[in-house]
This record gives sequence, structure tokens and C-alpha cells, in this order.
Amino acid sequence: SQTIHQWPATLVQPVGSPLSLECTVEGTSNPNLYWYRQAAGRGLQLLFYSVGIGQISSEVPQNLSASRPQDRQFILSSKKLLLSDSGFYLCAGSSAKNIQYFGAGTRLSVL
Amino acid sequence: DQQVKQNSPSLSVQEGRISILNCDYTNSMFDYFLWYKKYPAEGPTFLISISSIKDKNEDGRFTVFLNKSAKHLSLHIVPSQPGDSAVYFCAATGDSGGSNYKLTFGKGTLLTVNP
Repeated sequence: SQTIHQWPATLVQPVGSPLSLECTVEGTSNPNLYWYRQAAGRGLQLLFYSVGIGQISSEVPQNLSASRPQDRQFILSSKKLLLSDSGFYLCAGSSAKNIQYFGAGTRLSVL
Repeated sequence: DQQVKQNSPSLSVQEGRISILNCDYTNSMFDYFLWYKKYPAEGPTFLISISSIKDKNEDGRFTVFLNKSAKHLSLHIVPSQPGDSAVYFCAATGDSGGSNYKLTFGKGTLLTVNP
């Protein structure tokens, strides 16, 4: 089965600073890739998904962007972080249709 | 509009007893349902899934039941163990005609299994 690598595990950033979270996938090729955010006490909100290199779909308007420069690499970015960007960010991959496998997550605190 | 609902934010059961976690959905286009388990500060782990052509799927201690007419599914854990204590997410996906296989998640139910 595929493995999702995500880093860093925790990140503390000042308001207005840039952000780059990276996610890589092992064990499969041409996966669908996803970025989610889990706010405190809430479910998983899909932010972006990608069905191939350079193909990004955004689910919600926000301060973040995503890119997929390689087949198994997915990056979540921001030019200037806001306080409201704080949360737990999860990367997921799917190659077997509906089942998505998740990384360990990144806890982002914007201060 | 919340298309996947887990109306119980928390559930507490005794070790060895049955845990039943419920999930309701509103989108009749959903045709595949999944349950994930999540520990704090970790990513969700896939547990079990069911296609809409079935009404039951079993894997060890975990069984998922689907009632399409009621748009309701449930996860049964028998017997419950303290290590099962976690947040359980219900998720659903449908045939959108595309290939993105997006999942819609519920808000989760915190299960606590007491020794």
C-alpha cells in the first residue's frame, strides 16, 4: 500500500510570513492527491485536490495555494499567513479509487 | 450544507461491549462509504468501507452496515477494546462522472472505551 510522507510535524509561524508544506507519496504512481485542514473540534475540510502533475482544483476560497510539480509531490503554500490559517493540515493520496491514505499531519500555529 | 452527519460528538462504552457509531447522509449520489479512525495529532487511518450495492461488510471486529433507504450507516465494533478509543470519521463519495474521488467527511465521533 502507499505511504504518505508529510513534514514538518509542527510549525509555528508569525502572521504575514510565507508557508510551504510538502507531501510526498511512496508505493504508487499517478495518485490523486489531496490537502485537508482540520480545525479544532471540526471535521476534515478538503482544500485542494490534484489528479495529475500541474493539475490543481481548489475547493474553498482561501489564502492558500497548492502545486504539484512532480507525480508524487504535493505542496501547500501561502505568501502571507493569517491567524485564521492555524490548524492541522493533512495530505492524502488515493490510487485505489475511493480509499484515501493520510499522512501524519502538520500542526500549524500562526502567531 | 452538511452532507455527511455524525450526530453524536462522543460515545463512551465499557471494554468488551459493543460500540455502535452512526452516520447519516443526505446526498443520494453517494455510492461508497468509508470509516476512518484518528488518534490525536495523527492522520486518519482507513478502517473499513462499503459499496452501495451491499448492506454489510465485515472485517474482524469491525462491521459496517448500510441502510440506503434511510441514508444511514453504522460501524459496529465488537468487542470494544481500550485501544479503540479515538475519533471515528464517516466519509462518503459518489459517482461525479470524474476521477477526483473526493471524500465528504462527517465531523467525527469521539469513542472512549473504558477498561
